[in-house]
Amino acid sequence: DIVLTQSPGTLSLSPGESATLSCRATQRVRNSFLAWYQQKPGQPPRLLIYGASSRDTGIPDRFSGSGSGTDFTLTISRLEPEDFAVYYCQQYTSSSWTFGQGTTVEI
Amino acid sequence: QVQLVQSGAEVKKPGASVKVSCRASGYTYTAYYLHWVRQAPGRGLEWMGRLHPNSGVTDYSPKFQGRVTMARDMSISTVYMELTRLNSDDTAVYYCARTLAAIAAAPTPLGYWGQGTLVTVSS
Repeated sequence: DIVLTQSPGTLSLSPGESATLSCRATQRVRNSFLAWYQQKPGQPPRLLIYGASSRDTGIPDRFSGSGSGTDFTLTISRLEPEDFAVYYCQQYTSSSWTFGQGTTVEI
Repeated sequence: QVQLVQSGAEVKKPGASVKVSCRASGYTYTAYYLHWVRQAPGRGLEWMGRLHPNSGVTDYSPKFQGRVTMARDMSISTVYMELTRLNSDDTAVYYCARTLAAIAAAPTPLGYWGQGTLVTVSS
């Protein structure tokens, strides 16, 4: 299985600042089949980014994804109060999917 | 609109089995993979496996192989996830989720999620 390691574990930021979240894979993620999700307490995850850089429908353009191969980044520019949450990366390049352990973005 | 409605919370004893259902509506049920993901309290997301609703073919995470079974009832657009030999580490919220795009397209991640089913394993 591909293991995804996210860093940092926690980001402490203020509204209006930018956040940079990293996701590193132990093997190349073929075709950049890498997604990012946001999760808030008591809710299921919400898909933000797929294909490493494509935003899902309705996702604000302050969320952007980049990267390829084994290194991927989620950038949130101009943090809004509703953006403080846990973020997960996920690879879907094989018949066995895996998630990263998550990054908490806190105020 | 796409909806995935899961069965209610369960409490099970160690060694028992649990079966969670997920009823799909608002789209062509047979055209999209359905996956199961779990989340232990205060922990991250863990992919368990997926089911092809039309063929019934499954792919399971190596961690759960031998203990999990995913099946479907096409007549009621419902998929099931059964987990056997439960222990306290299986206490978690179990989610069903649908891929963003149809099976015939390129692989896509999980764009629609059920509300989650809490399974508690306790003696």
